[in-house]
Amino acid sequence: NAGVMQNPRHLVRRRGQEARLRCSPMKGHSHVYWYRQLPEEGLKFMVYLQKENIIDESGMPKERFSAEFPKEGPSILRIQQVVRGDSAAYFCASSTLSGTGGSYEQYFGPGTRLTVT
Amino acid sequence: GQQVMQIPQYQHVQEGEDFTTYCNSSTTLSNIQWYKQRPGGHPVFLIQLVKSGEVKKQKRLTFQFGEAKKNSSLHITATQTTDVGTYFCAAPGSSNTGKLIFGQGTTLQVKP
Repeated sequence: NAGVMQNPRHLVRRRGQEARLRCSPMKGHSHVYWYRQLPEEGLKFMVYLQKENIIDESGMPKERFSAEFPKEGPSILRIQQVVRGDSAAYFCASSTLSGTGGSYEQYFGPGTRLTVT
Repeated sequence: GQQVMQIPQYQHVQEGEDFTTYCNSSTTLSNIQWYKQRPGGHPVFLIQLVKSGEVKKQKRLTFQFGEAKKNSSLHITATQTTDVGTYFCAAPGSSNTGKLIFGQGTTLQVKP
């Protein structure tokens, strides 16, 4: 029973390149969340997606960042023209959402550590 | 925007001592969750509290949800070196879309 999968685990990009981070949710989970964690800081919500839909992208920077969760395949977080400030750990989480205040604990993947040189 | 404040930021204890972290929100919460992140690891769900005044225990861990549903605490009795890590509280975002707003976390160090 595989958990949330993320790849790559570590990614090094030069300034100006593109970074693509992938996330496969737990089996049976149709809700995916992306969070960013800077060193020594907490997790900041970026975006929440369901299959083929972006539900909440209020935490996503307006430029250079995009996310998708296609009908088939993993969710992708894409960062274009990366800058040093994008260096962080990016975590994906998945859940089963069952109503307001209901059981929607989130299961996190191992994260992708992005380093921009 | 909505914020969840967590204190202290760091706590160093001797093995066997107790540890408590506190979480506060300015708004009433529908529920609160707690996660643990080991150094270099990812957050792992510990528990969810839903009811006003709720108290739940997991072995040496005791979780409380305040009567007004605006604060919560995690207490660890007789810490062990395996308790080392960062403990986060997390609350649903005000838009209630399922996103979580995380506290800043409390990093626990345990000296053997």
